[in-house]
Amino acid sequence: DTAVSQTPKYLVTQMGNDKSIKCEQNLGHDTMYWYKQDSKKFLKIMFSYNNKELIINETVPNRFSPKSPDKAHLNLHINSLELGDSAVYFCASSQEGRWDSGELFFGEGSRLTVL
Amino acid sequence: AQKITQTQPGMFVQEKEAVTLDCTYDTSDPSYGLFWYKQPSSGEMIFLIYQGSYDQQNATEGRYSLNFQKARKSANLVISASQLGDSAMYFCAMRLQGGSEKLVFGKGTKLTVNP
Repeated sequence: DTAVSQTPKYLVTQMGNDKSIKCEQNLGHDTMYWYKQDSKKFLKIMFSYNNKELIINETVPNRFSPKSPDKAHLNLHINSLELGDSAVYFCASSQEGRWDSGELFFGEGSRLTVL
Repeated sequence: AQKITQTQPGMFVQEKEAVTLDCTYDTSDPSYGLFWYKQPSSGEMIFLIYQGSYDQQNATEGRYSLNFQKARKSANLVISASQLGDSAMYFCAMRLQGGSEKLVFGKGTKLTVNP
């Protein structure tokens, strides 16, 4: 029973296309995140949502648009894909107010390759 | 702003020996949490251990322990009795208190365990 699940796991597409990655968590967490891991393995936050409300929006091109229809789902839509968008995108969730740990639970990642 | 520094891009250790992975952090906030994650070649992010800034004792989880030196702002991960399966990327991360606060990652250390 997967806690944080992302689809698709692999995505290969041409420059200029539009694509979406979906994320769902069944942990009952309030907060969800999108992280990008580049080819050097560096993990950087892109967005976070708390109860469907955008909380963090790092300096990400506005070609990237997150959408949270409810607190269990956070999708990422990317318009006009560029070569530099090739990366692994991780969805994660955490429970707000849990300061005993507050760890992030990560999905398995979605590897996007733009040709 | 928060900053995490991992100065060891790669580390090697013999099976059954102990290894220390370095992590230093920078924040002016008194309340924060420090995390270590493992990323094997399969790509998933696995939570290992957590240390809160107010915790008096160093955190331990099985073969993992966190050497927390607050005055030095360091949170090194110690893995005892290394196993071949410990070969992976290891990320140190920090999160300010607040639930929805983002987790900021270091650049990671690639650990290779030799038989």
